[in-house]
Amino acid sequence: QKEVEQNSGPLSVPEGAIASLNCTYSDRGSQSFFWYRQYSGKSPELIMSIYSNGDKEDGRFTAQLNKASQYVSLLIRDSQPSDSATYLCAVNSGNTPLVFGKGTRLSVIA
Amino acid sequence: DVKVTQSSRYLVKRTGEKVFLECVQDMDHENMFWYRQDPGLGLRLIYFSYDVKMKEKGDIPEGYSVSREKKERFSLILESASTNQTSMYLCATSSSAEIYGYTFGSGTRLTVV
Repeated sequence: QKEVEQNSGPLSVPEGAIASLNCTYSDRGSQSFFWYRQYSGKSPELIMSIYSNGDKEDGRFTAQLNKASQYVSLLIRDSQPSDSATYLCAVNSGNTPLVFGKGTRLSVIA
Repeated sequence: DVKVTQSSRYLVKRTGEKVFLECVQDMDHENMFWYRQDPGLGLRLIYFSYDVKMKEKGDIPEGYSVSREKKERFSLILESASTNQTSMYLCATSSSAEIYGYTFGSGTRLTVV
């Protein structure tokens, strides 16, 4: 059974700080990794994807991948109250559906 | 951008009713998925389809069926609705490569009374 693990939170950070969200996965053959943001009562929205080891930056967001440790993380710099949401990690291992973690709830305190 | 449209935002049905949830996408994506999402349980895959007329069971198919007669439309059917099927239902699509992740519809909040 392929698994994706996330700390459920809530993770509370002050406005302007860096929020660090972590995810581990069980399938060493995983190839594609995604972060989704989900506001309360809304559907998930794709915010980052990463496919190779290292960092990928997009605005205030940085995704980090370490395949040897089977670990993927999302950093949010200069966190804003509007970043308060649940963040879902998803992993793709080939011709099977994405496996989603249960999500980490982030709360940015003004 | 891919647009994924779910027919109803909120739905209330009675126990025992047959319920149809519709999902339509406009970007010619091969893959379509139905999930349900419940607090503390995350997203759970019900059924998916990689092609027209094709369907595969996900992790929790019991009590559900699906239909995909056209590439752009994937329907979820609750054969006889029960109160434990009260949930948020999310449709998602992706290209065949799946490397770009999934695009979700806005969801249907179903309440079975």
